[in-house]
Amino acid sequence: DTAVSQTPKYLVTQMGNDKSIKCEQNLGHDTMYWYKQDSKKFLKIMFSYNNKELIINETVPNRFSPKSPDKAHLNLHINSLELGDSAVYFCASSGLPTDTQYFGPGTRLTVL
Amino acid sequence: AQRVTQPEKLLSVFKGAPVELKCNYSYSGSPELFWYVQYSRQRLQLLLRHISRESIKGFTADLNKGETSFHLKKPFAQEEDSAMYYCALSGRGFQKLVFGTGTRLLVSP
Repeated sequence: DTAVSQTPKYLVTQMGNDKSIKCEQNLGHDTMYWYKQDSKKFLKIMFSYNNKELIINETVPNRFSPKSPDKAHLNLHINSLELGDSAVYFCASSGLPTDTQYFGPGTRLTVL
Repeated sequence: AQRVTQPEKLLSVFKGAPVELKCNYSYSGSPELFWYVQYSRQRLQLLLRHISRESIKGFTADLNKGETSFHLKKPFAQEEDSAMYYCALSGRGFQKLVFGTGTRLLVSP
């Protein structure tokens, strides 16, 4: 059983388009996260949700909008994609914010 | 502010050589430290955390509160250890893990 899953695995799109990435966890965790890993492998947290409530928004452009329909899902919608949005986006979950985080396989987004 | 510093972007060693990946943290409270590993084009996964005091894949890390360090060590590196390694910090009241910038370990034959 996959603990944290993301779809799609790869996403290639044109500048200006709108796209979504989905994340699901079956670990029963309360907290979910979105991270961005850039070409230099820097890992930056974008958002964190606890029990469907937003608790962290790390100065991310408002073109990025997370949505948590329930505790097990955290989706990321991106409007008006820009070249600089090209990166690998990881979803993660944990029981508590201070606990071990379990990561999804990542979504490699390429904006042309 | 809480911070994690991994001073080496790249560490290159030969197979069989000892490895030490450095991690220093800045936090005035009681820290919890983690090491995560990311093999090529794979997801990040927990390697070890200091409270469990385990040795995973031959790696160990000791929390040194005096030096505010949590260096990752392995006495004899293997080629399959080649990966990105991230040190991370947590603590009471934290709402997230604080990650370092990562160190790429390259083990050559």
